[in-house]
Amino acid sequence: DAGVTQSPTHLIKTRGQHVTLRCSPISGHKSVSWYQQVLGQGPQFIFQYYEKEERGRGNFPDRFSARQFPNYSSELNVNALLLGDSALYLCASSFGQVNTEAFFGQGTRLTVV
Amino acid sequence: GESVGLHLPTLSVQEGDNSIINCAYSNSASDYFIWYKQESGKGPQFIIDIRSNMDKRQGQRVTVLLNKTVKHLSLQIAATQPGDSAVYFCAEPRKGYSTLTFGKGTMLLVSP
Repeated sequence: DAGVTQSPTHLIKTRGQHVTLRCSPISGHKSVSWYQQVLGQGPQFIFQYYEKEERGRGNFPDRFSARQFPNYSSELNVNALLLGDSALYLCASSFGQVNTEAFFGQGTRLTVV
Repeated sequence: GESVGLHLPTLSVQEGDNSIINCAYSNSASDYFIWYKQESGKGPQFIIDIRSNMDKRQGQRVTVLLNKTVKHLSLQIAATQPGDSAVYFCAEPRKGYSTLTFGKGTMLLVSP
């Protein structure tokens, strides 16, 4: 069975540009969460989506947005990129919204230059 | 608020030694903790979890100890192998959600 898949694996963008990252959850999982992991730090929670609705948001600016599609895949969008947005972006899927194990994808490495 | 932190950023051990990775937490109401392993270029992978009604839980070569009095937990890896080299995080679920609050992590380096 396929695990959580993310695309692209690596990406280089210029300051001020926009980026879209994609995530496909494990089949049957309805919850997708996004995390930002800056080098040398633990992942920081950005968003959780469950049944296509936003269920939680971390302390990130409005430049960050996300959505979940009817097939439960998800996109993370970041506008007006800053150098500080350079990080590994992780997607995690879980079966339910609460108290269920999260499975992580391999991440998308975003570099902003 | 909830926060989870690590004592040591890097731990270097010899193959075959036992490794102990520590983690402190600040919220005395925390009742569930998870250890994750993150290898280079990969996402975090679940290792073992523990609930606050337990002091100890054992898995395959790994043991997690929870000391609620001092708000501390540790991950013990027996007979550490080169394949155990990775960054280890303790994490705590956000109350009522399946999302997680992670600490900074400890890098475990295992030399042959």
